[in-house]
Amino acid sequence: DVKVTQSSRYLVKRTGEKVFLECVQDMDHENMFWYRQDPGLGLRLIYFSYDVKMKEKGDIPEGYSVSREKKERFSLILESASTNQTSMYLCASRTVSLLSGNTIYFGEGSWLTVV
Amino acid sequence: QQQVKQSPQSLIVQKGGISIINCAYENTAFDYFPWYQQFPGKGPALLIAIRPDVSEKKEGRFTISFNKSAKQFSLHIMDSQPGDSATYFCAAKRRTSGSRLTFGEGTQLTVNP
Repeated sequence: DVKVTQSSRYLVKRTGEKVFLECVQDMDHENMFWYRQDPGLGLRLIYFSYDVKMKEKGDIPEGYSVSREKKERFSLILESASTNQTSMYLCASRTVSLLSGNTIYFGEGSWLTVV
Repeated sequence: QQQVKQSPQSLIVQKGGISIINCAYENTAFDYFPWYQQFPGKGPALLIAIRPDVSEKKEGRFTISFNKSAKQFSLHIMDSQPGDSATYFCAAKRRTSGSRLTFGEGTQLTVNP
């Protein structure tokens, strides 16, 4: 089974703090994603990475950055946390193998509260 | 701007009933339409998916109906069970977008015993 692990499930941070959300996948997937989930808004793509050291902005990248130094690890960085970034953050991964179809595998989420 | 519109936002169904969730899209470049299921405290997981060259796909009690001309697709859950209580997301992928999925707003389904 594919395993996408988000190490921090619940975080409380102060406004202005730098926040790191870490994600690791164990299936050698090329693509990795960070989504944000808010009630009534669904899942919105923040950033994604095609492969190591490659990244592309999603639909709501403002206030976020990402890092992918190793294939299995994709980090989301909030440079200066703000209260409107209180949300649940979902990491996901996918292989580009045609045999695997388009399935995206999600982690269990990181609940971030910014006070 | 939500490119995939999902309704209803919440749905309550009795055990054994049919649950129907609808999604509509505008972009004709979408070529893959999955549904994801999310239980409380868990991440979403792929439930079933369809491509626009077929009008229906069935897997067990779950069926996707696809209407290309109306740019709509829906999830039908037959014989709904309390264990189906979850949040359901429709999504769509553009041919040229690689792996990027655009999600609907989500529907919270409650199946009463």
